[in-house]
Formats: sequence, C-alpha cells, structure tokens
Amino acid sequence: DIQMTQSPSSLSASVGDRVTITCRASQSINTYLNWYQQKPGKAPKVLIHAASSLPGGVPSRFTGSGSGTDFTLTISSLQPEDFATYYCQQSYSTYAFGQGTKLEIK
Amino acid sequence: QITLKESGPTLVKPTQTLTLTCTFSGFSLSTSGVGVGWIRQPPGKALEWLALIYWDDDKRYSPSLKSRLTITKDTSKNQVVLTMTNMDPVDTATYYCAHRPPDLYYFDSWGQGALVTVSS
Repeated sequence: DIQMTQSPSSLSASVGDRVTITCRASQSINTYLNWYQQKPGKAPKVLIHAASSLPGGVPSRFTGSGSGTDFTLTISSLQPEDFATYYCQQSYSTYAFGQGTKLEIK
Repeated sequence: QITLKESGPTLVKPTQTLTLTCTFSGFSLSTSGVGVGWIRQPPGKALEWLALIYWDDDKRYSPSLKSRLTITKDTSKNQVVLTMTNMDPVDTATYYCAHRPPDLYYFDSWGQGALVTVSS
C-alpha cells in the first residue's frame, strides 16, 4: 500500500510570494502524481496531472515537478484566490491522497 | 459538459449499510478508458479515496476499506452505486463521486458531495 506524505501540513504566505509544497511517496510511482486544490465547502479541482501537466484553464503560475518518490507543487506568485488546501494524489496503484497542505494568508 | 451528483441518505445508524448513488451526464461509462470513483472527506479532514469502477467493469478498492465496499454501475441509467457496510460514526463524511477521463489517471470532474452522518 503506497503512502503519500505532504509537507508542510500548513503554510502561511503573502500575496506575491513563491511557495512550494512537497509530496513524497513511500515507493516509486513514476510520474503518476496529481495535485488538487480545494476551497472550503467545494469539491477539489485538479491543478496538475502526471506530475507536471496542466489541464486546460489552470493558470501557468502553478507548476509541478518530480518523478519516482519526490514531487513538488510550486505557485510562482500567490494570488488571493490561491489560499486553499492542496492535496497530492498517486494514481500508480490506487488513487490515494496525501494528508493535505493548508495555505493561509500571512 | 460533464456533471455528477451524489444522492443517498443523510443519516444512517451505526452498523447499517450505506448506499450512495452517483448520477452523471455528459459522458458514458461504456466509453473505453472511462472511470468513476468515490472519495470521502470527514469534516475538517483530508480526502480519502474509496473505490473506482472502469468502463469494462474492472473495480478497484481502497485496501483499508475493501472488505466493506462494493461499487457497481448501471450504464443504461448513467449511475454508479457505492455500498459501505457496517457504518460507524467515524464514517461521517462528505462523499464525492468523480469522473476519470479516458486513459488518464486523475479525476477531472467532481460532484458537489453528499454529507452522510452516522449516528444513533
């Protein structure tokens, strides 16, 4: 059973900051790694799939990288609408999620 | 446009079986490569993937919950049903269904979620 560990669990930042969230898999998952954004009371929205691919409509300030066991989500310049909770998800074996990273306004 | 909507009881008693239905439009579960999954989220906690059914009736379950879950599909009705046995208060959560695009490995469309409370 592949476990996903995100860090940090919470993060305070300001508009315009560059932030990075990491996700580590307990074993190699190649690039079967997705990132989602969730706002309170809403369903999650996919930001990145296959570790680094942006679906249409996702702003280019979101980038994903990594392969194997270590992955990162970077937001290049935080916008007010980016304050949310972020989850990684592996789709190599099951579709398990990490425990989430809550991004708050400093 | 793809839409999904979860339906089912809002309150179940401990030990009862939960049955949730996902009714969708905008795609067919007979299309090669398509899948529909279930994900839940206890209040204030993280997302937890539960199960996924594919167009060819292949099924995948969370290892930790596999003994309690059954996922089925009715292609003619555009529905996917999840049953979870032996409900417990820790199963209180918002339950989401979501669409997996053909031959891709993520969920691109989600339902609004359905809150299920387990309490006597």
